[in-house]
Amino acid sequence: NAGVTQTPKFRVLKTGQSMTLLCAQDMNHEYMYWYRQDPGMGLRLIHYSVGEGTTAKGEVPDGYNVSRLKKQNFLLGLESAAPSQTSVYFCASSYPPSWETQYFGPGTRLLVL
Amino acid sequence: AQSVTQLGSHVSVSEGALVLLRCNYSSSVPPYLFWYVQYPNQGLQLLLKYTSAATLVKGINGFEAEFKKSETSFHLTKPSAHMSDAAEYFCAVIYGGSQGNLIFGKGTKLSVKP
Repeated sequence: NAGVTQTPKFRVLKTGQSMTLLCAQDMNHEYMYWYRQDPGMGLRLIHYSVGEGTTAKGEVPDGYNVSRLKKQNFLLGLESAAPSQTSVYFCASSYPPSWETQYFGPGTRLLVL
Repeated sequence: AQSVTQLGSHVSVSEGALVLLRCNYSSSVPPYLFWYVQYPNQGLQLLLKYTSAATLVKGINGFEAEFKKSETSFHLTKPSAHMSDAAEYFCAVIYGGSQGNLIFGKGTKLSVKP
């Protein structure tokens, strides 16, 4: 049981490039979330999903898109990376009835030059 | 907007001393409250959570937190700090109807001196 895994662990992009971050969970969780963590800012919610095929915007969705085609995977896409998207990205998942308890992945460190 | 405030971005204690990390939330409606810990270069680990049961919540690694509605606070304590407690601690809240959307405080980095 691997829990929540994230791919890749680290990536360097040039401004304007695109990439997709993959989050996978093997706990059959319904809810999945993408956060970004910046120094002194805590974690902020980018997008989330309450089930396969559904997505919704969080606090800071601009510049990102997401997809949840399979229940176990939640993809975060950057269409045209900007230096302001340099951050550490965390994925999390949870399940009813304990939907309030989120399990976090190890993070993806992204540097946009 | 709903928010959560952690007082003090850095807290330093001596080994064996009391640890007190402060957290206040902004709503008059009791939400779900959490403390997470993050060790360097790692993800977040749940320490404890309050979900409207007992107001004193015990968590892992000897930590506990008390929900005080009158003060809208959920401070984290540990009677005796250990070197291994050095980490960053995040208070987080879920407000009613938000489908599990955690709102995080900005974090408090705890240093433990020998």
